[in-house]
Amino acid sequence: DIPVTQSPSSLSASVGDRVTITCRASQNILNFLNWYQQKPGEAPKLLIYRTSSLQSGVPSRFSGSASGTDFTLTISSLHPEDFTSYYCQQTYATPYTFGQGTKLEIK
Amino acid sequence: QVQLVESGGGVVQPGRSLRLSCAASGFNMTIYGMHWVRQAPGKGLEWLSLISKDGNTKLYADSLEGRFTISRDNSKNTLYLQMTSLTGDDTAVYYCAKDQNPDYYGPFDYWGQGTLVTVSS
Repeated sequence: DIPVTQSPSSLSASVGDRVTITCRASQNILNFLNWYQQKPGEAPKLLIYRTSSLQSGVPSRFSGSASGTDFTLTISSLHPEDFTSYYCQQTYATPYTFGQGTKLEIK
Repeated sequence: QVQLVESGGGVVQPGRSLRLSCAASGFNMTIYGMHWVRQAPGKGLEWLSLISKDGNTKLYADSLEGRFTISRDNSKNTLYLQMTSLTGDDTAVYYCAKDQNPDYYGPFDYWGQGTLVTVSS
């Protein structure tokens, strides 16, 4: 298995803030890291795939990057609808592990 | 538009079996890998299984210990998950998801709304 450690588990911020969420893979996963947003009672929604590619229809305030085995989701300026949960996922090798999740809350 | 609709969830007694279905529409299911993912109440996401577009490759999470079987019927545009020897730890919302590419290396670009499985006596 390839564990991915996501941090922080929760984050308080304000509308307009810039925030980053990080996932660290336990080994090299090339660029096979994806980010999902999940709102309460809904299915996850793909935001970023293969580290930095923005999924169609996703606002450009979302971006992804990597440095080695550390991957980052950045939201450049928080909108009210962004306060929800986020998960990273590696699809380099099965089992396709998810990070533990980050709950983004309004400060 | 792409739509995935799960069904088959419900309350089941420990030790029993259940089969979930995922009806696909709005895309050619025959050219995409498909996945099952679950989420226990208040918990994170857990990938369970994948199946290749032709059904020849099936992979599973080790945690399932061989109790679950994934399958697909492309003529019916339907994905299945047969679950056996269910325990309370299997209580979760079960999602089917479509692979974005004509393989199964992710990402998962469309998800169903989920079906709740509750294992309880």
